[in-house]
Amino acid sequence: DQQVKQNSPSLSVQEGRISILNCDYTNSMFDYFLWYKKYPAEGPTFLISISSIKDKNEDGRFTVFLNKSAKHLSLHIVPSQPGDSAVYFCAASAKYGNKLVFGAGTILRVKS
Amino acid sequence: EAGVAQSPRYKIIEKRQSVAFWCNPISGHATLYWYQQILGQGPKLLIQFQNNGVVDDSQLPKDRFSAERLKGVDSTLKIQPAKLEDSAVYLCASSRTSGRAVVGELFFGEGSRLTVL
Repeated sequence: DQQVKQNSPSLSVQEGRISILNCDYTNSMFDYFLWYKKYPAEGPTFLISISSIKDKNEDGRFTVFLNKSAKHLSLHIVPSQPGDSAVYFCAASAKYGNKLVFGAGTILRVKS
Repeated sequence: EAGVAQSPRYKIIEKRQSVAFWCNPISGHATLYWYQQILGQGPKLLIQFQNNGVVDDSQLPKDRFSAERLKGVDSTLKIQPAKLEDSAVYLCASSRTSGRAVVGELFFGEGSRLTVL
């Protein structure tokens, strides 16, 4: 039972363009959403998060959008840089500090 | 601050053997997590500790997996006996529980890659 789904296994984008990574969830009890980035041979690192009371959160080149009615969130990276090439995981939580449920990840490749 | 430390980084064993992984969280982090990441999948929570008490172990295969966090600091995860399907990266993470905590933000170690032959 996949409660958090990332349907695109991989994405390739030209340097300087926008990268859009998508995530869908099924559990209506989720109220906090996070994106993690993972480089090879390293653990995931926190990137950005959003609470269900918001529909947008921005941090520099990274913006996360939340559409609660569609149970969908997306991560926008503008402009994309080669150093952004990594695996991006979407994660969701039903309450503070409790059990993060992760998606399968999307491999982003930014070509220079 | 020093990150989450894990060892060993790599382990190859035969099925039915046992293995143990060690984790030292970031100093002052009360919450510690063990995740299992199978190739091509996202991390799956095995067990969550708050200090030295278990908060959630609902997805831990208790017939073969065990974990402890003595004194509320470092932790060990043991698999005995191992099965082929246990081949995965075992990630340890820790989190702050107050103060500057970002809700849900976990700090992960580099992981321990297990191959069961």
